[in-house]
Amino acid sequence: DGGITQSPKYLFRKEGQNVTLSCEQNLNHDAMYWYRQDPGQGLRLIYYSQIVNDFQKGDIAEGYSVSREKKESFPLTVTSAQKNPTAFYLCASRTTSGHNEQFFGPGTRLTVL
Amino acid sequence: QKEVEQDPGPLSVPEGAIVSLNCTYSNSAFQYFMWYRQYSRKGPELLMYTYSSGNKEDGRFTAQVDKSSKYISLFIRDSQPSDSATYLCAMSPLLTSGTYKYIFGTGTRLKVLA
Repeated sequence: DGGITQSPKYLFRKEGQNVTLSCEQNLNHDAMYWYRQDPGQGLRLIYYSQIVNDFQKGDIAEGYSVSREKKESFPLTVTSAQKNPTAFYLCASRTTSGHNEQFFGPGTRLTVL
Repeated sequence: QKEVEQDPGPLSVPEGAIVSLNCTYSNSAFQYFMWYRQYSRKGPELLMYTYSSGNKEDGRFTAQVDKSSKYISLFIRDSQPSDSATYLCAMSPLLTSGTYKYIFGTGTRLKVLA
């Protein structure tokens, strides 16, 4: 099955710890995105990447880092510098040829204890 | 003012009703418009994608874009209890770098009552 996978589904972190959220896609999409979703707010863009080895900050990049070493993978690290990390994190991808639809993974719920 | 405004609801309708969901926006550069359905604790699922103005139909769903009024709509005919979810609108300009940066509404929660 083609699609986007995110792991883990639920993640608990102690304050002061860094955690890495996984995102993998087998859709052969060039562009990948990370969003954060909080109750009552729209999805907010954290980072995005158009091609391998290149990525740009979104609207709320502070306290987060990413890498794009492979086309299929775009992991997100939530660092201890992120002051309010408890949220639902969504990874998405989009083909850069022709259509511009963006597709989402199932999400990771991060809770800081 | 937010770039994209969407009534959060909840919107409750009886089964079989026609549902109208709407978003307004302020950025005239938006060209690509999408509607997503999101069930609780799941990722958003793309329902409809339209470019520029006009209507697009897919089964029970119709997406409408009015760029002159900066207003988009999603109509659901013969609504079913399984349509109960949060509906997100999203839109994007074509940036000069060739990238697409999507702006999302906050979502409208829909309940279809059996």
